Amino acid sequence: GAGVSQSPSNKVTEKGKDVELRCDPISGHTALYWYRQSLGQGLEFLIYFQGNSAPDKSGLPSDRFSAERTGGSVSTLTIQRTQQEDSAVYLCASSLQTVSPLHFGNGTRLTVT
Amino acid sequence: AQSVTQLGSHVSVSEGALVLLRCNYSSSVPPYLFWYVQYPNQGLQLLLKYTSAATLVKGINGFEAEFKKSETSFHLTKPSAHMSDAAEYFCAVSGLGNAGNMLTFGGGTRLMVKP
Repeated sequence: GAGVSQSPSNKVTEKGKDVELRCDPISGHTALYWYRQSLGQGLEFLIYFQGNSAPDKSGLPSDRFSAERTGGSVSTLTIQRTQQEDSAVYLCASSLQTVSPLHFGNGTRLTVT
Repeated sequence: AQSVTQLGSHVSVSEGALVLLRCNYSSSVPPYLFWYVQYPNQGLQLLLKYTSAATLVKGINGFEAEFKKSETSFHLTKPSAHMSDAAEYFCAVSGLGNAGNMLTFGGGTRLMVKP
């Protein structure tokens, strides 16, 4: 597989439930980003991982959101006690090095009912 | 701090007409600038990037953009629109801040191409 892979592609959940979204970056890419794309909000930065450094969590909207990256590869974005306003497309991207372009996955469309 | 403004959330052109999508940025450091395209139900695909080399940047699918520092602009153009160009286009800036090349995106412009 050559690209960034995200799963699931679609997720419908009930308000109050927890969800986990997965991202498999391109092999060898040290940087990994999560963005959220909402109607009327554009693309919103959530969190950034670079190698073994502490992640930049400055974009996470609340403490219900968390992410981890295991072994410098796969990342999981977790949303606890989901709310309807969490409904959006969650995009993951990776890049080879600091000034390289980002390569995006196709996203996970989350719908909270 | 960085920000991007895309003028016009929707642009409609006729097939064969010039495409012009506007992007203005602000950045406290020399910027790297990008245009991405998003087709329905897909992620973002890189069209082109400016990284302080030539100010006129050519990308895929016949698109190009010109970096104008004096105008803080990075408008995207294509001489002749094709039906397959219909998509959403995002301008983005990064500046080697504290989040690597974390991109700050504009709000996007949806391009519609009429036959």
